[in-house]
Amino acid sequence: QSELTQPPSASGTPGQRVTISCSGSSSNIGSNTVNWYQQFPGTAPKLLIYKINQRPSGVPDRFSGSKSGTSASLAISGLQSEDEADYYCVTWQDGLNGYYVFGPGTKVTVL
Amino acid sequence: QVQLQQWGAGLLKASETLSLTCAVYGGPFSGYYWSWIRQPPGKGLEWIGEIDINTNKNYNPSLKSRVTISVDTSKNQISLKLSSVTAADTAMYYCARQMAAAAFDYWGLGTLVTVSS
Repeated sequence: QSELTQPPSASGTPGQRVTISCSGSSSNIGSNTVNWYQQFPGTAPKLLIYKINQRPSGVPDRFSGSKSGTSASLAISGLQSEDEADYYCVTWQDGLNGYYVFGPGTKVTVL
Repeated sequence: QVQLQQWGAGLLKASETLSLTCAVYGGPFSGYYWSWIRQPPGKGLEWIGEIDINTNKNYNPSLKSRVTISVDTSKNQISLKLSSVTAADTAMYYCARQMAAAAFDYWGLGTLVTVSS
C-alpha cells in the first residue's frame, strides 16, 4: 500500500492530452520534489520528469509535469501510440527514517 | 556512456540471503548516490536503499532490518544483501544512479530473483 495514489489506468486517442495524477500528503509530495518514470514491459524504468517539471535530455516536450500542494500531475499532450506504457511518480517520504516512495503506477492505453 | 552491469544468484530458497552486485562503467562513480530498486512480477516499484562513496546510506524502513548495501570504490561497484528472503522478495532487482533526489537516470538491466519455498 503506497503512500501515493495514482489512477490504475488512463487512456486517450492519438493526439489527445492525457493527464495522470499522483496524490500524496504534506509529508511527501507537499514538502518534496516529484519525479516521473515511464516503463515498457520487460524493460527498466526511464526517467521522464525530475524536479517536478524538468525533462532530461531526449525526452519530448509533450511530456510535462506540475505540482500543486500535495498532488502532482504528468501530462502527455499529443498522445502517440508509443506512449502506451506504465507511468510512476516518486517522491521522498519525510520521517525519522525517510525514504523514497513510488506511486502504484498508471497504465496508459492509446486507443 | 554510463552503463550499470549487475549480477547475482537468480534462484534462492526461503531463508537464504539474496546477494547482488552492480558495476558502474563509463562514468564517474563519486558524486552520486547509487540505489537498489525492486519490482515484483506484475507489480510496482519499491525503493530498497541507497549509498554513496562515503558509505552514507539510507534504507527503506520496511526492509531495513534485512538489508545491507555496501560500496567498493576500488571496483566502482555497489552490492545488495537481503537476508531471510521469502516468496514476497521475488522480484526484478535494479541498480540505478541517482542524479538528484529520486531522479534515477541510469539503470541496470535488472536481475530477476525468484525465491522458492
